[in-house]
Amino acid sequence: NAGVTQTPKFQVLKTGQSMTLQCAQDMNHEYMSWYRQDPGMGLRLIHYSVGAGITDQGEVPNGYNVSRSTTEDFPLRLLSAAPSQTSVYFCASSPVGAELNYEQYFGPGTRLTVT
Amino acid sequence: GDSVTQMEGPVTLSEEAFLTINCTYTATGYPSLFWYVQYPGEGLQLLLKATKADDKGSNKGFEATYRKETTSFHLEKGSVQVSDSAVYFCALSGGSNYKLTFGKGTLLTVNP
Repeated sequence: NAGVTQTPKFQVLKTGQSMTLQCAQDMNHEYMSWYRQDPGMGLRLIHYSVGAGITDQGEVPNGYNVSRSTTEDFPLRLLSAAPSQTSVYFCASSPVGAELNYEQYFGPGTRLTVT
Repeated sequence: GDSVTQMEGPVTLSEEAFLTINCTYTATGYPSLFWYVQYPGEGLQLLLKATKADDKGSNKGFEATYRKETTSFHLEKGSVQVSDSAVYFCALSGGSNYKLTFGKGTLLTVNP
């Protein structure tokens, strides 16, 4: 198993450009999510999905869109990049169940710089 | 809402020293508690977890006990190694979705 994969690893954008960060997992996990990591802020949830066709907002969703057409893929779209979106982005996945205590598996991250 | 507070770093120790990283939380209900570790240039990986009061999670010599009375989940290791140098995140999940709420992270550097 490859686990959770993310592409690209690094990206530089100009203000106003759009792009899609890719995330895929091969563990058949229903739950997938996107976090951003900023210095001194920990990780903050952007969007999440509990299955194909179902997405919802996290705590910092503005400026980002997601869709979940398959179980495996959960792309994150930046509609019009801003310098405030400079960050490291992590995708994560986990099984779902009543206990809510499953481990989340993280991808290696995408380091995005917006100039 | 849910929140996690962990001790601010950076923490610098000599090899074989004792490690404690404090973590306290605020949550409704009965959350599950986690410690994740992030090695330089990598994503996060689960270090240990506890799902109910008085549970002790342990892995790779690290331990943490879920203390409901003090709402704490402190991470400890008796003898750290250089290879333990990383950022450690305390996190909780609970409520109606699978969202993880993270602390801000603690950078640990272990010197030989």
